[in-house]
Amino acid sequence: AQKITQTQPGMFVQEKEAVTLDCTYDTSDPSYGLFWYKQPSSGEMIFLIYQGSYDQQNATEGRYSLNFQKARKSANLVISASQLGDSAMYFCAMRERDAGNNRKLIWGLGTSLAVNP
Amino acid sequence: DAGVIQSPRHEVTEMGQEVTLRCKPISGHDYLFWYRQTMMRGLELLIYFNNNVPIDDSGMPEDRFSAKMPNASFSTLKIQPSEPRDSAVYFCASSSSLQGHVVFGQGTRLTVV
Repeated sequence: AQKITQTQPGMFVQEKEAVTLDCTYDTSDPSYGLFWYKQPSSGEMIFLIYQGSYDQQNATEGRYSLNFQKARKSANLVISASQLGDSAMYFCAMRERDAGNNRKLIWGLGTSLAVNP
Repeated sequence: DAGVIQSPRHEVTEMGQEVTLRCKPISGHDYLFWYRQTMMRGLELLIYFNNNVPIDDSGMPEDRFSAKMPNASFSTLKIQPSEPRDSAVYFCASSSSLQGHVVFGQGTRLTVV
C-alpha cells in the first residue's frame, strides 16, 4: 500500500484563484511530519511548508497553507491567489521513524500544477 | 549558508565509465540523503546517512552503486560501470534532527550514452 498518495497527476487553475492539492498518508508512527515541496521546470526542490503530527494549528507560510485533517490522514496544500510562477510539480512527503528509530522521508508521486493566465 | 552543494551540475559519460557525484551538506546537518529522480519512477531514495554512518541503503539499485561519507562535510555517490539506464537527476539532501525539513542540492543531471 502507498504510504503517501497524491491522487491528482495534473491540475489546472486560473491565475489569482485558489487551488487545493490533495495528499493522503498512512503511518503507525504517532510522531510524524508532513512536508510539501515545489519543483519548477528548472529542477530544484524547494521546501514550502511543514506540519507536525502534534501541531494543533494548520501550518501557513504566506500564500501556502496546509489543511491538516489528522483523523482522515490528509494533508492538502492550499495555494491562495495563484500566480503564473506557481506552475510546477508539487510533492507531498511524510517523515516517520523506521524500525531502527531513524527518520525516513516517504514521497508521493507528485501533482503537476499549471496556472493559466 | 550556501546550502547543499552538489557537483558536477551536469555529467555526460559513456557507458562503462565510472561516475562520481559529490555532495557537501549544510554544516550542522546530521542526516544526508541521496535521491534519484526519473520520469518513470519519480523520486527514489537511494541511501541515507546519519552522523556519517549509512543507515539504509535498500534503495541502491545494484552493486554498481556505492556511496560513502568519509566526514560530516562530504559525501560521494559512485556508479561503476555506468549504464544508459542510470541516466537521471541525482539529488543530495541534508537535514538536522532538530529541524523540520530536508534541504536539497541543485541536483546532478547524469546522462550515460
